[in-house]
Amino acid sequence: GESVGLHLPTLSVQEGDNSIINCAYSNSASDYFIWYKQESGKGPQFIIDIRSNMDKRQGQRVTVLLNKTVKHLSLQIAATQPGDSAVYFCAEGYAGGTSYGKLTFGQGTILTVHP
Amino acid sequence: EPEVTQTPSHQVTQMGQEVILRCVPISNHLYFYWYRQILGQKVEFLVSFYNNEISEKSEIFDDQFSVERPDGSNFTLKIRSTKLEDSAMYFCASSTGTGGVEQYFGPGTRLTVT
Repeated sequence: GESVGLHLPTLSVQEGDNSIINCAYSNSASDYFIWYKQESGKGPQFIIDIRSNMDKRQGQRVTVLLNKTVKHLSLQIAATQPGDSAVYFCAEGYAGGTSYGKLTFGQGTILTVHP
Repeated sequence: EPEVTQTPSHQVTQMGQEVILRCVPISNHLYFYWYRQILGQKVEFLVSFYNNEISEKSEIFDDQFSVERPDGSNFTLKIRSTKLEDSAMYFCASSTGTGGVEQYFGPGTRLTVT
């Protein structure tokens, strides 16, 4: 069935390092992907999205890469800070027909940033 | 900055009781969603709502669940007869639906069924 999964459940880095969080997806029909950050006790917070017709998108300190050939998505965080510590989820969606907006989430990666 | 709000933050109920979880989406958004997250698991889609009707629902969203937009600002999720396995965090989300795909999530309601 359709699924979105993550390769690494946990990632520990030192403050100032760059972090890379990976995600594999299986639904080739998905036409957009979103990264969310979830801090303890809070709802998912939108970080960045990328459409399926793109392979790279940059935001503030974050870059998302999309490789449709291998169905792989990654989130790169530059100069990671302790405030970046959270669970990161990738999610896929399809903006067509009756499925507009439904997001399928991955399991999540716990990012811990050590000062 | 506008945000999605949810009430209550924590709801404890006995099995078999009805609960209503409330959400106020961002005011100019047109699409509304409910998701749930069982402790330690991933976020799961429940239902999407647009133009005063359900657009899509998941297998989880059975006859015990219903959604309503009773007025111009609130969006509710009702569970008619709660089960132990309904215990989870329930998140409301909204999006503009007009080109932007990002969904903005509320802080969640923790539902505990005893």
